[in-house]
Amino acid sequence: DTGVSQNPRHKITKRGQNVTFRCDPISEHNRLYWYRQTLGQGPEFLTYFQNEAQLEKSRLLSDRFSAERPKGSFSTLEIQRTEQGDSAMYLCASSSGLAGGPRETQYFGPGTRLLVL
Amino acid sequence: AQKITQTQPGMFVQEKEAVTLDCTYDTSDPSYGLFWYKQPSSGEMIFLIYQGSYDQQNATEGRYSLNFQKARKSANLVISASQLGDSAMYFCAMREGRRANNLFFGTGTRLTVIP
Repeated sequence: DTGVSQNPRHKITKRGQNVTFRCDPISEHNRLYWYRQTLGQGPEFLTYFQNEAQLEKSRLLSDRFSAERPKGSFSTLEIQRTEQGDSAMYLCASSSGLAGGPRETQYFGPGTRLLVL
Repeated sequence: AQKITQTQPGMFVQEKEAVTLDCTYDTSDPSYGLFWYKQPSSGEMIFLIYQGSYDQQNATEGRYSLNFQKARKSANLVISASQLGDSAMYFCAMREGRRANNLFFGTGTRLTVIP
């Protein structure tokens, strides 16, 4: 399978705990995106990487959230001191960076579903 | 203002019939791209079809076609010959200009195909 993969698929944690999610993009895709999707809503953009550089962060990404892509391949999203409001699906997407502009298609992974108790 | 509006929370269609899912968008950027994604209950967002703002013809991909009306700022998805496996959430999304990030999504339409 050469699509975007995410681990874990499901995570249940207690409020106040830290959690980390991993995303492996499509091989050779240099652009990687994180989105959050709450129940009944469409995905909302969190942050974007081109290679290892984090080029944009949404206002949704509070200081409890941190994302890394250390070698320009896989990425991790960490949430510190989780709150019940963090319960959501966290989606990762990647794109090739070849098309450029609005034509660039993002391909999504299966998501990590987080439940904070 | 919402950048993407999907006014149909739910739609039903008989198997083998065609269905249209509505999407309107709001942007002042002359260059933009419109996307449709399908999200089954498993959660993965599956890319279906793309329409660029400068494309002269409506996009088609197999049973999916996009009814693009630029003056009305609408980009409706048409699914022909519906199948049971088409039952899912469908999201319309837009990227503006030459930015490589930030897809804006609508709230989605849940399509149910009736046998």
